Amino acid sequence: EPEVTQTPSHQVTQMGQEVILRCVPISNHLYFYWYRQILGQKVEFLVSFYNNEISEKSEIFDDQFSVERPDGSNFTLKIRSTKLEDSAMYFCATRTSGATDTQYFGPGTRLTVL
Amino acid sequence: GDSVTQMEGPVTLSEEACLTINCTYTATGYPSLFWYVQYPGEGLQLLLKATKADDKGSNKGFEATYRKETTSFHLEKGSVQVSDSAVYFCALSDQYSGGGADGLTFGKGTHLIIQP
Repeated sequence: EPEVTQTPSHQVTQMGQEVILRCVPISNHLYFYWYRQILGQKVEFLVSFYNNEISEKSEIFDDQFSVERPDGSNFTLKIRSTKLEDSAMYFCATRTSGATDTQYFGPGTRLTVL
Repeated sequence: GDSVTQMEGPVTLSEEACLTINCTYTATGYPSLFWYVQYPGEGLQLLLKATKADDKGSNKGFEATYRKETTSFHLEKGSVQVSDSAVYFCALSDQYSGGGADGLTFGKGTHLIIQP
């Protein structure tokens, strides 16, 4: 069964450094999402992406964050200058074009900012 | 805005007990409703979903019915197993609230512990 993959599984970085988290969507999926889950808290929506542009973003997704699909395959989340509070599990999710289609989640990248 | 409220955990049950995890929601449009499960050390897996009122989603012995009149989507299972121990998240997608927004809104999660 096709699945969403994410790399790396764990990223440790120093505060102020840039990080790029990568996601490979399921091949026929057209809508892409990033979510985060701070340890012990609920999963929070960050951004959705369709047709090479952001379609929705939350208040969390400020100017430090950006997304792109540089090569038509990977879908990336970049955090320009990491803060301690960016430490979380980041999940990528993707779905097909149907209005009620399910979002399929990747296994997540654990980001630790020191 | 949209929100999901689910019962606080942890919920501890003995094997073969009946399970209900309550979930209620508020939404401006006509949401689709989901239950996701997160096993220890893993990501989120879709457990079941319902896309319109009175729909029942079911999978692996779990069921949930979309109740528009009570804005609820309670998760139930008649006989739980140790392997059901996980965190369960109720979520909604409100695609028709305007603007085509469909980021999922999650509840805080309910940690279920099943003891042998």
